[in-house]
Amino acid sequence: GDSVTQMEGPVTLSEEAFLTINCTYTATGYPSLFWYVQYPGEGLQLLLKATKADDKGSNKGFEATYRKETTSFHLEKGSVQVSDSAVYFCALSSTGGYQKVTFGTGTKLQVIP
Amino acid sequence: DAMVIQNPRYQVTQFGKPVTLSCSQTLNHNVMYWYQQKSSQAPKLLFHYYDKDFNNEADTPDNFQSRRPNTSFCFLDIRSPGLGDAAMYLCATSRDRGTSGRNEQFFGPGTRLTVL
Repeated sequence: GDSVTQMEGPVTLSEEAFLTINCTYTATGYPSLFWYVQYPGEGLQLLLKATKADDKGSNKGFEATYRKETTSFHLEKGSVQVSDSAVYFCALSSTGGYQKVTFGTGTKLQVIP
Repeated sequence: DAMVIQNPRYQVTQFGKPVTLSCSQTLNHNVMYWYQQKSSQAPKLLFHYYDKDFNNEADTPDNFQSRRPNTSFCFLDIRSPGLGDAAMYLCATSRDRGTSGRNEQFFGPGTRLTVL
């Protein structure tokens, strides 16, 4: 079945540092890929998405590129801020029939001033 | 702004006392989902409605039920909450289920349930 594997956290960075959160997936066909962000005490918000190979999703300075050859969708940001502290979930949605979202276990990011 | 609303944000109930959580949406989406999220874990899908068609996940306990009286509202009923049911409950919607996998899900802020 479908699965998503994320790097374990927590990840602690200083403000303005470069961020990478690794995500790899296993799925049949050509899934859509997502990054969701969850701030403390809140629900999930869609951060960015990519629906086909080589697509790059971007939002709020975050980027991720759909790499089919390596089945990866790593999240990057050039300069993190304290306000980026949150839990980040990588997810996929398979094609065909009922579209069920499979989430990774989440990576907690803490940015210190 | 179109959105997904959950009430209450925090709910405290007693062991074995039925509780209902509420979700409403102004997006006019066809699909509504309920997820359970325990601390430091990924959201776990409990069930979803595609219009009026109810779809239960195979491993969702019978203790969890849902109702969707109209397009805008969906309720999660926990008939006899146990201590293990304490969690964040997330409601989400999507325009359709589709076959392209492109119908992103929009989440509400969640209801944190405490069971005493």
